[in-house]
Amino acid sequence: DQQVKQNSPSLSVQEGRISILNCDYTNSMFDYFLWYKKYPAEGPTFLISISSIKDKNEDGRFTVFLNKSAKHLSLHIVPSQPGDSAVYFCAAPNAGKSTFGDGTTLTVKP
Amino acid sequence: NAGVTQTPKFRILKIGQSMTLQCAQDMNHNYMYWYRQDPGMGLKLIYYSVGAGITDKGEVPNGYNVSRSTTEDFPLRLELAAPSQTSVYFCASSPGVWELFFGEGSRLTVL
Repeated sequence: DQQVKQNSPSLSVQEGRISILNCDYTNSMFDYFLWYKKYPAEGPTFLISISSIKDKNEDGRFTVFLNKSAKHLSLHIVPSQPGDSAVYFCAAPNAGKSTFGDGTTLTVKP
Repeated sequence: NAGVTQTPKFRILKIGQSMTLQCAQDMNHNYMYWYRQDPGMGLKLIYYSVGAGITDKGEVPNGYNVSRSTTEDFPLRLELAAPSQTSVYFCASSPGVWELFFGEGSRLTVL
């Protein structure tokens, strides 16, 4: 039973356009969500988070939206840059542990 | 500013061999974790610890053991290595239950 799902394994966008990465969850107990970014041969690094008391959190070019009724969150990157090319993981902490989605590989073409 | 340090970065094992993946953090974090990442997959939790002397199983603990004798160190022991344990292993630490700080990973191949 995968509690955090990222249904798109890959996404390709043109530089300067918007990238939208999606994540769905099934556990209603999740009340905080994080996005991590991972470059090849490196560990994941924290990117942005959102609490369930909010429906939007913004940090520069990165915005995360949360739709609790749909159990869905999305990460928007505007404008996308070639350096954003990486794997993006959605994660939900619960009871001291974090559950991760399978990741979405974003490719931003110059 | 070391953060989370994992050793070794690469290792090839023969079936049946044993080894220990080392993980150390210098941020005084209470929480520490071991994840594995298989190709095209997300991070699966192997074991975690909420403080020195306390460990607990994650989703995929079979074939592994851990110990946490100090706040800084959280080694992962593989006994009787099997090809199914070929993966990239990530150690992480956290000051609480939110953001994780990851090491660079240890790539293990079992032949």
